[in-house]
Formats: sequence, C-alpha cells, structure tokens
Amino acid sequence: AQRVTQPEKLLSVFKGAPVELKCNYSYSGSPELFWYVQYSRQRLQLLLRHISRESIKGFTADLNKGETSFHLKKPFAQEEDSAMYYCALRPGNTNAGKSTFGDGTTLTVKP
Amino acid sequence: DADVTQTPRNRITKTGKRIMLECSQTKGHDRMYWYRQDPGLGLRLIYYSFDVKDINKGEISDGYSVSRQAQAKFSLSLESAIPNQTALYFCATSQHAYGYTFGSGTRLTVV
Repeated sequence: AQRVTQPEKLLSVFKGAPVELKCNYSYSGSPELFWYVQYSRQRLQLLLRHISRESIKGFTADLNKGETSFHLKKPFAQEEDSAMYYCALRPGNTNAGKSTFGDGTTLTVKP
Repeated sequence: DADVTQTPRNRITKTGKRIMLECSQTKGHDRMYWYRQDPGLGLRLIYYSFDVKDINKGEISDGYSVSRQAQAKFSLSLESAIPNQTALYFCATSQHAYGYTFGSGTRLTVV
C-alpha cells in the first residue's frame, strides 16, 4: 500500500522568507512523486514532478529515498505563492497510473 | 477552452435523488479518474479508467458508479445521494508518466 503524509495542514511565512512544505511517503517500490498546487478559485494544477528535476516558479523538490521524503522548497516566498499544495505519489510502474494524495498544506505568505 | 471540462459546476440535490456528474477531455489521454475532496482529507480516489473497456474501483467507490462512454468522456453517478456525499468532485486525466490534468471541479451539496 502507498501512503503520503503532509504533516502541516497550515503553514504561514512572511514574504521573502524561505518556505519548506513537507511530504513523506511510504511505498515499497520505486515511486514517482509530484507536487500539485491549487490557487484560490482555480483548478488543481501540476507544479512539478521529481522525474524532471525542474524548478517551477522558484520551487524545487528533491526525492530523498533514504528519508522517504519529497519536500517542496522555495528560498524567497512571494504573496502569490499562497495556495493549497498537495503532494502525490504514483507507483513507478506504467500499468499503475493512479496517484495517492496527501491531505494538503495551505500556505499563506504574509506581506 | 479548458482541456478537462466538468459539468455541472455546482449542484444541490435532495437525499435519495440520482445525480450524474460529467467529465469530458480534449487532451487525448487514455486514463481518467474521479476524486472527491473533503476538508482535511485531501483527495480520495473514487473510480479510475485506463481505457474505454477498463473500469476500476478506487478507495471509496461505495455509493458511486461510473461510465466511460468514450475515450473523452467519463461520468460519475450517485444512484441515491446521501448527505455525506456532499463534497467537491474532481475529474482528472493522465497519460503514462506525466502528471494529472484536472477539471475545475463540481461542488455537490446533498440536502
């Protein structure tokens, strides 16, 4: 069974401060990890995935298999980063395409 | 135009009524999913389909049914709605190793 844990339901930082949204997972095989973001009154959208090792809107996330974590980081938070963030895991098997989501973290960036 | 379209956007229905939520996509993706979002519970998978002839139950399929009418259409039905099915419902699509593309959601209230 696969499980995703986001330990913080709410996270509040000031503009310009670093931000880290935590994500831990449990899965016996090789996972694919994703971060999704939901801005106010908008649909959920893919932010980044660990396979591509990209930086989107200043955010990065590194898959740490030893600690089974995929934390989302940004060095300088902006007010427009305020949103709900979901971490998701999908088995690294092309026949198993369904993802398991964490409960989400609401990030508020204060001016 | 949105790649993944859900109808209706909002719906209020009475206990015991049958209701259908519809999802259509122009992405050309084979895989389609229905999730529900409840405050504090993240997204939970109801049903998923990897192609027109493939339908699978998710973690919370009781009380729901689905129909994959075509590659582009995936409908979710509540045969006899009950108040604890009040939630935000999301349809999503994916293709192999890529992440999900979500619809804008249907807010369902059962009174």
